[in-house]
Amino acid sequence: DGGITQSPKYLFRKEGQNVTLSCEQNLNHDAMYWYRQDPGQGLRLIYYSQIVNDFQKGDIAEGYSVSREKKESFPLTVTSAQKNPTAFYLCASSTGGGAGNQPQHFGDGTRLSIL
Amino acid sequence: AQSVTQLGSHVSVSEGALVLLRCNYSSSVPPYLFWYVQYPNQGLQLLLKYTSAATLVKGINGFEAEFKKSETSFHLTKPSAHMSDAAEYFCAVSANYGGSQGNLIFGKGTKLSVKP
Repeated sequence: DGGITQSPKYLFRKEGQNVTLSCEQNLNHDAMYWYRQDPGQGLRLIYYSQIVNDFQKGDIAEGYSVSREKKESFPLTVTSAQKNPTAFYLCASSTGGGAGNQPQHFGDGTRLSIL
Repeated sequence: AQSVTQLGSHVSVSEGALVLLRCNYSSSVPPYLFWYVQYPNQGLQLLLKYTSAATLVKGINGFEAEFKKSETSFHLTKPSAHMSDAAEYFCAVSANYGGSQGNLIFGKGTKLSVKP
């Protein structure tokens, strides 16, 4: 079955450490997205990519970095510059195309905590 | 700028009662609208979407939503709540400006509780 796989499900970060969250999709989708979810705040967009080798900052990109070297993969690095990284991180993908009428499909998330 | 407002961060209903979750949007052009459901420690699952065809949209699990342009609303309803409907629900509008087309703008969510 096609879908989006996020790993690991739980991740712990030490002070000053960078950590990378994995997101892989086999839906052949062009567009991929990273969101941060905090209780009562909904989903906030960190980065998005509408095509391989290109990505754009979302609303809260500071302290995060991404790459999009392959269509099926969009890893997110939480750097030491992100002072409040504890959150639930969700990856999504869609067919894109710019029309805006396509839904996004979500992975099951990674919960990041500080040690 | 587009935005989504979900009225009520928590809604509680009895099993078998009507479910009504409210969503109002702001958009300068005809919007594309979506409802998602999230169970604890899981990702979001699409319930239904409005993409300018019929104004009454039917989704999965017996949910439906009606697009009302005059009220800028897209409320989610279900005639009879089931215990398994307890979850958090998110309304979203598709961005329609510049390079952000296809991005979703989410409301803050409404947590639905169902009492036996």
